[in-house]
Amino acid sequence: QVQLVESGGGVVQPGRSLRLSCAASGFPFSNYGMHWVRQAPGKGLEWVAVIWYDGSNNYYADSVKGRFTISRDNSKNTLYLQMNSLRVEDTAVYYCTRASLDGSAYSFDCWGQGTLVTVSS
Amino acid sequence: EIVMTQSPATLSVSPGERATLSCRASQSVSSNLAWYQQKPGQAPRLLIYGASTRATGIPARFSGSGSGTEFTLTISSLQSEDFAVYYCQQCNNWPWTFGQGTKVEIK
Repeated sequence: QVQLVESGGGVVQPGRSLRLSCAASGFPFSNYGMHWVRQAPGKGLEWVAVIWYDGSNNYYADSVKGRFTISRDNSKNTLYLQMNSLRVEDTAVYYCTRASLDGSAYSFDCWGQGTLVTVSS
Repeated sequence: EIVMTQSPATLSVSPGERATLSCRASQSVSSNLAWYQQKPGQAPRLLIYGASTRATGIPARFSGSGSGTEFTLTISSLQSEDFAVYYCQQCNNWPWTFGQGTKVEIK
């Protein structure tokens, strides 16, 4: 079955770095754009970044631009999020999601279980 | 950036009753609007995409409507498993943005 499994979360001090991974299975990973979405404790959902199916393009939320880098390895069916210069406000559960296109309508039809990143001194 | 505004923030409904949730976009997103359900401790689940198409496995009591800037999610007869937080999301312009959520609670 279609599955996304995140890993790499943990507790990190402000200013430090962390890399998240998302292992995909059950579908042709290289055919899909992939995204990261985060959720601060008790808050709503915030879109973070996207990478095209072939890695040729990406976009970032203004809140992470210049600090986070999204990448993928289609040979390993894995999505990454390199997070540098972490701030307390980056504390959140980070979800990887698959973007599905049906006709002209996009949506996130598959989500991982999330990995918690806590930025604290 | 397109701002998505959901109302109300909290909706108190009795089981079996109808629930109507609203989502407004700050500019037109055509029909590129999705709805998600999230329960405590779980990842969001896709309910509706393209403003009105139910995702695979979603019960018929969930329906979506609207286009442009005004959208509605209707749950025709609330079941116990439907009490959750619901988010709308526009997928028309970068960055893709979410509403702040509507919590549907038991009255």
